Amino acid sequence: AQSVTQLDSHVSVSEGTPVLLRCNYSSSYSPSLFWYVQHPNKGLQLLLKYTSAATLVKGINGFEAEFKKSETSFHLTKPSAHMSDAAEYFCVVSFLAGGGADGLTFGKGTHLIIQP
Amino acid sequence: EADIYQTPRYLVIGTGKKITLECSQTMGHDKMYWYQQDPGMELHLIHYSYGVNSTEKGDLSSESTVSRIRTEHFPLTLESARPSHTSQYLCASSEYGVQKTQYFGPGTRLLVL
Repeated sequence: AQSVTQLDSHVSVSEGTPVLLRCNYSSSYSPSLFWYVQHPNKGLQLLLKYTSAATLVKGINGFEAEFKKSETSFHLTKPSAHMSDAAEYFCVVSFLAGGGADGLTFGKGTHLIIQP
Repeated sequence: EADIYQTPRYLVIGTGKKITLECSQTMGHDKMYWYQQDPGMELHLIHYSYGVNSTEKGDLSSESTVSRIRTEHFPLTLESARPSHTSQYLCASSEYGVQKTQYFGPGTRLLVL
């Protein structure tokens, strides 16, 4: 069975410090991996996507993520947090052989809090 | 500008009423989806469509129904709203094919009294 686990439900950092949001997945197939961000009362916005090209993926707003197959991880990072980064972040996995629409599985989300 | 739209953004309605949540996209995408998201929780797929006249049920059972008469339009209907339907409903679309990026609308927050 496929699954995705976001290891922290809440992460709090100070403005200007690095951000690390952790995501692990399990799959028997080659996955595509996404990070989406959801600001309060807004829809989901795509931050970045991994599709088996470069393992280090750069996204919007200074975010990037590294795919590590040996660790089945896809952690999201940003060197310096900004107040506008405060939001809910979802790790999403798409499995090539998944059932349903596209085999998309969402993590439970990580709430990022930025302290001034 | 290509985008995906949802109306209304917020809806407060009484029990037993019929409601339709609208979703339209101007990206020319074949596939469209409806997700349900309870506060602080992950998204669950309730309906999807491969194209015109195609509708399928998702992973989460839902009393809602959908239709796809036009490529750009994918409305969701609740014949008789109940308090248990209170949630956020997110619409998305993607190109046809596997592992394609899904683009999301802003969502509709539904409160059934």
